[in-house]
Amino acid sequence: AQTVTQSQPEMSVQEAETVTLSCTYDTSESDYYLFWYKQPPSRQMILVIRQEAYKQQNATENRFSVNFQKAAKSFSLKISDSQLGDAAMYFCAYSTGGSEKLVFGKGTKLTVNP
Amino acid sequence: DAGITQSPRHKVTETGTPVTLRCHQTENHRYMYWYRQDPGHGLRLIHYSYGVKDTDKGEVSDGYSVSRSKTEDFLLTLESATSSQTSVYFCATTTASSYEQYFGPGTRLTVT
Repeated sequence: AQTVTQSQPEMSVQEAETVTLSCTYDTSESDYYLFWYKQPPSRQMILVIRQEAYKQQNATENRFSVNFQKAAKSFSLKISDSQLGDAAMYFCAYSTGGSEKLVFGKGTKLTVNP
Repeated sequence: DAGITQSPRHKVTETGTPVTLRCHQTENHRYMYWYRQDPGHGLRLIHYSYGVKDTDKGEVSDGYSVSRSKTEDFLLTLESATSSQTSVYFCATTTASSYEQYFGPGTRLTVT
């Protein structure tokens, strides 16, 4: 069974600094998708970024980028120029794509200090 | 935003009572999911549906049942609520070509 591990229950960063959240996963599949979701205090799940395993290029969305290391089964999220609004729970998730279920990590709580 | 609503948004109920949570979507997505979120566990899949009247179990399905009589509605029922079912419940939808799941706002259920 696929598993997703987030080894950092909590992280903190100073406003305007850069922070990296870690995620590792285990799978025997060669084609899959990886996601980072943000959950602010409102509880809404917001997709931050997505990476297709067949793509070697790391995904980027504005201040958010990933470091995808397929051989190491690692998928970290880098947040640059951190803002107060980035404070949230961040979940790493895996899927084999299409209609398949998401498998989530346990989450990392990110605090942004002014 | 895939037009997903959940009702109720908050509910407190007593142990042993039946509870039904509703997920309603306006995007005509074929696939729908129920997850529960608990501290230290992330989100875990309870049940999912791949079409009207087509449902299947997820990893934490014990004590839950689901029904889908219309594309837009996916109901989650706790036949006899227990304190271990105190959680936040999320509904999600997707299409086969989307690769992204769209989440509802969640329902906080407390079983006393």
